[in-house]
Amino acid sequence: SQTIHQWPATLVQPVGSPLSLECTVEGTSNPNLYWYRQAAGRGLQLLFYSVGIGQISSEVPQNLSASRPQDRQFILSSKKLLLSDSGFYLCAWKKGQGETGELFFGEGSRLTVL
Amino acid sequence: GENVEQHPSTLSVQEGDSAVIKCTYSDSASNYFPWYKQELGKGPQLIIDIRSNVGEKKDQRIAVTLNKTAKHFSLHITETQPEDSAVYFCAASRMDSSYKLIFGSGTRLLVRP
Repeated sequence: SQTIHQWPATLVQPVGSPLSLECTVEGTSNPNLYWYRQAAGRGLQLLFYSVGIGQISSEVPQNLSASRPQDRQFILSSKKLLLSDSGFYLCAWKKGQGETGELFFGEGSRLTVL
Repeated sequence: GENVEQHPSTLSVQEGDSAVIKCTYSDSASNYFPWYKQELGKGPQLIIDIRSNVGEKKDQRIAVTLNKTAKHFSLHITETQPEDSAVYFCAASRMDSSYKLIFGSGTRLLVRP
């Protein structure tokens, strides 16, 4: 069966510090991978998606970046965090081919920037 | 790009009553409309979805309706139970190679015992 792991679960960082959130998927190959952000009491905002290694599409211009160094690994990074980067970050995957549109989400990473 | 609007933002119902959440979308090419349930501190999980070639779909106590002409779709939960309390998200996407699921802002449903 497929599983998705996301870490760290909780992170408190000062303004201006770097960020690295990691996500890995097991039990599938060539998945589509996604990073979403959920601000407090708000919806899910699509940040990045990837259909293959090294292929990253950015949906929202900001100081965040994403990388996919391996087929089942997706990393969200920032060189210098802003207060507005605080939120709940969710990684998700979808089967790369086939009719299903279901996204499978990780448990999330809660980032607080102080 | 796609934009999804969702209403209401909060909904409180008595146990046993029905709950209805409504969404509209902007991209007429969208053809896949799922609904997700998010419990506190967790990632969302799919509860039901509908394709554009279908007007209604039902799964036990939950149902989804789609009006493609008006670009509206709705989630209906009947005989609500306290465990239905959660945040519900609608979403829309084109089912193509660059699949991007765009979510609504969410509805916090509270079922009062």
